[in-house]
Amino acid sequence: GAGVSQSPSNKVTEKGKDVELRCDPISGHTALYWYRQSLGQGLEFLIYFQGNSAPDKSGLPSDRFSAERTGGSVSTLTIQRTQQEDSAVYLCASSSSGANVLTFGAGSRLTVL
Amino acid sequence: TQLLEQSPQFLSIQEGENLTVYCNSSSVFSSLQWYRQEPGEGPVLLVTVVTGGEVKKLKRLTFQFGDARKDSSLHITAAQPGDTGLYLCAGRTSGGSYIPTFGRGTSLIVHP
Repeated sequence: GAGVSQSPSNKVTEKGKDVELRCDPISGHTALYWYRQSLGQGLEFLIYFQGNSAPDKSGLPSDRFSAERTGGSVSTLTIQRTQQEDSAVYLCASSSSGANVLTFGAGSRLTVL
Repeated sequence: TQLLEQSPQFLSIQEGENLTVYCNSSSVFSSLQWYRQEPGEGPVLLVTVVTGGEVKKLKRLTFQFGDARKDSSLHITAAQPGDTGLYLCAGRTSGGSYIPTFGRGTSLIVHP
């Protein structure tokens, strides 16, 4: 597509439920990043994909968080047994191989009640 | 500990004023970028600087990379309401990391 597409744009869930957030990167972009943005906290790195592999998932805050990427394209970030502190905007970005420019999606705003 | 410290955290000014925001670190960066983020949107790249002492201009915005490649500044001349947004700096360390580290940002409001 023309840009990075994320869905849903907004998600409200109850504590303890599982959620899935989707990212559709720019076609042909091999690198894909997930960041989390909480109020006043800037962007917190979660995980980086190169193709379908995740060479760096050091930013995932707990084992409740997981992500996968299939076909070198779409990625899904899954949060199990959501907690109130998981409330944030989850941003996805992609870039072409070797490039230094990240193109971000508009984000998925998650609210855990 | 935040790898990249941005200051000020908040800035509220009148149209026509000048301003400078700063991005500082104790680490050396192979490259540093500035992004602007508007409400409900993702960050959008403004500029990339890679050489110590480098200065780049983008209309009324002037970006400078420190000589030691540890800090950067963004200067806006004659600010306009359209400049309102969150300004984020992001750096990649000299180890060749593919993952940029972001500062917390400077939230700028320009009043008409």
